[in-house]
Amino acid sequence: AQSVSQHNHHVILSEAASLELGCNYSYGGTVNLFWYVQYPGQHLQLLLKYFSGDPLVKGIKGFEAEFIKSKFSFNLRKPSVQWSDTAEYFCAATNNAGNMLTFGGGTRLMVKP
Amino acid sequence: DTGVSQDPRHKITKRGQNVTFRCDPISEHNRLYWYRQTLGQGPEFLTYFQNEAQLEKSRLLSDRFSAERPKGSFSTLEIQRTEQGDSAMYLCASSLLGGLTIGTQYFGPGTRLLVL
Repeated sequence: AQSVSQHNHHVILSEAASLELGCNYSYGGTVNLFWYVQYPGQHLQLLLKYFSGDPLVKGIKGFEAEFIKSKFSFNLRKPSVQWSDTAEYFCAATNNAGNMLTFGGGTRLMVKP
Repeated sequence: DTGVSQDPRHKITKRGQNVTFRCDPISEHNRLYWYRQTLGQGPEFLTYFQNEAQLEKSRLLSDRFSAERPKGSFSTLEIQRTEQGDSAMYLCASSLLGGLTIGTQYFGPGTRLLVL
């Protein structure tokens, strides 16, 4: 069965700390991977996506993620977080047909000023 | 604003009542998706349309749930005989089939349903 797992449910960091959120997927065939962010009171927004090519993808607001096929991982990183990064982060995957997204359970990030 | 819109944003209903939600996708998008999100969980897929055709339904979508997209534009999701377990955020997303953006779904603000 297709699945996405996020191991960190809650993360608390101080401003300027580095961030890495884990995401692992279990998918047969080609996989497309996404990170979405949900700021408090707002809707899901796309941070970045991977379809093919360079496994290191850069998104908005200084975020990046690396696709490591051998580890079935797509971890999200940011070298220096800001208080405004406080949000919930969701990893998601779909097959090449672009059908349903399978989401992980989310990671709630709190950045202390 | 040219994003995905949903109406209403909040709905409180009594158990056993029927409710209907509406989603207006990004205008040129031909795929429309419905998801459900409960507290502390990621969104779970319910169903999706390509134009007016409903192509896939999740096992989560019981017989009490029905979705339509009559002219390939907006969509409605109806829940009949609501149960307390239906309380959740119902999310709509849309995407454009084809090209480099395949699978990139853009989400609306959601409709939060509370069944008393």
